Amino acid sequence: KNEVEQSPQNLTAQEGEFITINCSYSVGISALHWLQQHPGGGIVSLFMLSSGKKKHGRLIATINIQEKHSSLHITASHPRDSAVYICAVRFPGGGADGLTFGKGTHLIIQP
Amino acid sequence: DTEVTQTPKHLVMGMTNKKSLKCEQHMGHRAMYWYKQKAKKPPELMFVYSYEKLSINESVPSRFSPECPNSSLLNLHLHALQPEDSALYLCASSQQGFGGELFFGEGSRLTVL
Repeated sequence: KNEVEQSPQNLTAQEGEFITINCSYSVGISALHWLQQHPGGGIVSLFMLSSGKKKHGRLIATINIQEKHSSLHITASHPRDSAVYICAVRFPGGGADGLTFGKGTHLIIQP
Repeated sequence: DTEVTQTPKHLVMGMTNKKSLKCEQHMGHRAMYWYKQKAKKPPELMFVYSYEKLSINESVPSRFSPECPNSSLLNLHLHALQPEDSALYLCASSQQGFGGELFFGEGSRLTVL
């Protein structure tokens, strides 16, 4: 069964801390998305990765295809980073949109 | 313009009402999607349009009726909904039919009384 596991489920940190959110998946993939959702709000696509590393501002996403693992890092975290971060994986021959979503990581950054 | 615009942002309707949700993008994307998201759950795919044709209907009840009038617009017509249909409805688009990066809208928060 194609599965996506995120950890931690919940994370509370102080402003300025370095944040890491992890995503593991069960079989080979064609792409992995990191998404951000603020409470009650829509979803913002942060990154789409198939290999290596991407950086945008204070956000860094890495993927290790051999280990079937991806991480999302936030440097110099800020209260406005508080949101749910969702890992979504595209398995070959997957569902209609090819995406399997993780359950999300609820991040709270305290001032 | 890298936005997917959804209207209305909030909608309250009775079980006998007919209403519509609208989604618009001007990025030239040829695939558009409707997702349903319940509180604290990941999004669930409802429909996919590829090149303005309905490609996928994920066994969604007929009280939800999608429509894609042109490559920039996607509608979701609602009729005789149930209270359990209350959710956040998200529209998304991608450049290719499948496999491209998804761009999501802010969602329409639907409450069925």
